[in-house]
Amino acid sequence: DAKTTQPPSMDCAEGRAANLPCNHSTISGNEYVYWYRQIHSQGPQYIIHGLKNNETNEMASLIITEDRKSSTLILPHATLRDTAVYYCIVRAQNAGNMLTFGGGTRLMVKP
Amino acid sequence: DARVTQTPRDKVTEMGQEVTMRCQPILGHNTVFWYRQTMMQGLELLAYFRNRAPLDDSGMPKDRFSAEMPDATLATLKIQPSEPRDSAVYFCASGLGEAYNEQFFGPGTRLTVL
Repeated sequence: DAKTTQPPSMDCAEGRAANLPCNHSTISGNEYVYWYRQIHSQGPQYIIHGLKNNETNEMASLIITEDRKSSTLILPHATLRDTAVYYCIVRAQNAGNMLTFGGGTRLMVKP
Repeated sequence: DARVTQTPRDKVTEMGQEVTMRCQPILGHNTVFWYRQTMMQGLELLAYFRNRAPLDDSGMPKDRFSAEMPDATLATLKIQPSEPRDSAVYFCASGLGEAYNEQFFGPGTRLTVL
C-alpha cells in the first residue's frame, strides 16, 4: 500500500468547515483512498472512500486531486463531537488487502 | 442499531495469566478482524477471518496469542501467558464481503498486564 502523510494536528472552529489534507504521492492506479476516524476511547469509524472522483455522503466530502497524489476530507460544519483522530489510508481493493493505520491527524474542534 | 460488541471492556491481570477477549460481530457479517492499539505502535492488525476461517494472522505473536471463531457469532482472542508488553486496547471489527469493504469496529477491550 502507498504511504500517506498527514499533519499531526489541526484546529477548527465549531460550525466552520474542517479541511483535512492527506498526501499520497506514490499512490497506484488501483488504490483507493479511505478515511476513518477515532473518537477518544472508541473504535475507529469508517467515513468515506473514493478512487478518483469526488465523493460525498452524510458525514463528509472527499476531494481527490486530478493526479491523485493528494486528497482532502471536508467536514462541512464541524461540531465538538467531530474532535477525533482522522486516518487517511490508501489501499488496493484486492482480496485480503488490509487496512494499515498511520499516525493520522488529531482534529480539535473548538467552541 | 447493529454494533460489534466486545467483552470485557476492561481487564487487569497479572503477568503469566491467561486472558480471553470475546467479540460478537454484527449479525450477517462474514469477516472479522482483531487489531491492537498502543501509544507507541498505533493500530496494528493481528488477525483476520472470513467465514470463520483464519486468512491472515501474520501480525500476531504465534507463541502466546491465538484467535478463533467457534461459531459465526463469536470470535475469541487468547493470550497465554500474558506479559506486560501485551497491555493495549484490543479492537474487534467486522465487515461483509472482502476485507477492503467498510469495517465496523467494536468499543475495544483495554488490557492491563501487571
